[in-house]
Amino acid sequence: GENVEQHPSTLSVQEGDSAVIKCTYSDSASNYFPWYKQELGKGPQLIIDIRSNVGEKKDQRIAVTLNKTAKHFSLHITETQPEDSAVYFCAATKYSGAGSYQLTFGKGTKLSVIP
Amino acid sequence: DTAVSQTPKYLVTQMGNDKSIKCEQNLGHDTMYWYKQDSKKFLKIMFSYNNKELIINETVPNRFSPKSPDKAHLNLHINSLELGDSAVYFCASSLDRGRLDTQYFGPGTRLTVL
Repeated sequence: GENVEQHPSTLSVQEGDSAVIKCTYSDSASNYFPWYKQELGKGPQLIIDIRSNVGEKKDQRIAVTLNKTAKHFSLHITETQPEDSAVYFCAATKYSGAGSYQLTFGKGTKLSVIP
Repeated sequence: DTAVSQTPKYLVTQMGNDKSIKCEQNLGHDTMYWYKQDSKKFLKIMFSYNNKELIINETVPNRFSPKSPDKAHLNLHINSLELGDSAVYFCASSLDRGRLDTQYFGPGTRLTVL
């Protein structure tokens, strides 16, 4: 089955600096990798995702890179702002049978942006 | 214009009781999920339904029984609640059960068992 490792578990950065969160996955058949942001008391919200046919995707201050050979993908947040403070989860797909797929999540990274 | 909604938001109950959590999505999606998030924030899938049919059933005690009256609703009933059931439960939905489908999460239900 799929196993997703996420590092670091906590990350503190100064406002304006960049933040990088890294994940590795075990199932080479996985080809969809979303990133979710969870603010306190709320459900996870998709912020960006990447499919295996591309190596990088960018959306304003957020970018994700994917290295399928090494089976790792990373989230990059530039010019961090206090509102970026949250728990971030990476995930990868896993085939669960009968034509269905499920997400396996990393254990999360608590990002704190210090004003 | 809420996409995925859950009720209640908070649920406090005694050990041994039976309780239900309701979930509704207005996105027109075919697939719905229940996740459990423990105190360490670890998110783990419990169940998934596609068009009212159970398609994923992870290793979950049979005290947990999902029910899908139609493809827009997926409820979770829990019998004989135990202390270890305390967690935040999230409902989610996706267009279909495919590999590339984005999942949209509800706001969560914090269950506390005393």
